[in-house]
Amino acid sequence: AQSVTQLDSQVPVFEEAPVELRCNYSSSVSVYLFWYVQYPNQGLQLLLKYLSGSTLVESINGFEAEFNKSQTSFHLRKPSVHISDTAEYFCAVSDLGWGGSYIPTFGRGTSLIVHP
Amino acid sequence: NAGVTQTPKFRVLKTGQSMTLLCAQDMNHEYMYWYRQDPGMGLRLIHYSVGEGTTAKGEVPDGYNVSRLKKQNFLLGLESAAPSQTSVYFCASTKTDTNNEQFFGPGTRLTVL
Repeated sequence: AQSVTQLDSQVPVFEEAPVELRCNYSSSVSVYLFWYVQYPNQGLQLLLKYLSGSTLVESINGFEAEFNKSQTSFHLRKPSVHISDTAEYFCAVSDLGWGGSYIPTFGRGTSLIVHP
Repeated sequence: NAGVTQTPKFRVLKTGQSMTLLCAQDMNHEYMYWYRQDPGMGLRLIHYSVGEGTTAKGEVPDGYNVSRLKKQNFLLGLESAAPSQTSVYFCASTKTDTNNEQFFGPGTRLTVL
């Protein structure tokens, strides 16, 4: 079974500083990788995804993540964070389940706290 | 499009009571999922459905039942609620499982006393 590890439960950072949220997963055979963001009292929304092709993927609001197959990682980065980036971030990995469907497994989440 | 909606938004139950959570999507998605979110645990899959009339167990199915009688609706039932089921429940849907980008509802906060 797939497991997803988000190494930091909480990451405090000052505004305009760079940040990296780490994600590692257990199985590297034919996976799809995602980062979701959850703002307080809301559902999750997709931030970015890796399906195939270029290993570096970007979001519209300045986040990027790099798929590293050899290290089974999909770390999320932003060169300069804003107060509005304060949220919970979830890494998710989809692989082929026993029923023949791709089933997602989520990490436990990383709380990004941006201080002024 | 409303996307994915969930009713109710909040509910308080007593131990042993039953209830049904409703998830509806208007995107004609085939796949639908129910998750629970607990502090420090991330999202855990309860049940999912790969199409109308089909359901399958996820990681934590015990104490829950589901039904997918219509493609747009996915119901989650608690037959006899327990305090351990106090959680925030999220429904999600995807068009297919190939790229599996999930669209989430706003959540239902359930407290079992």
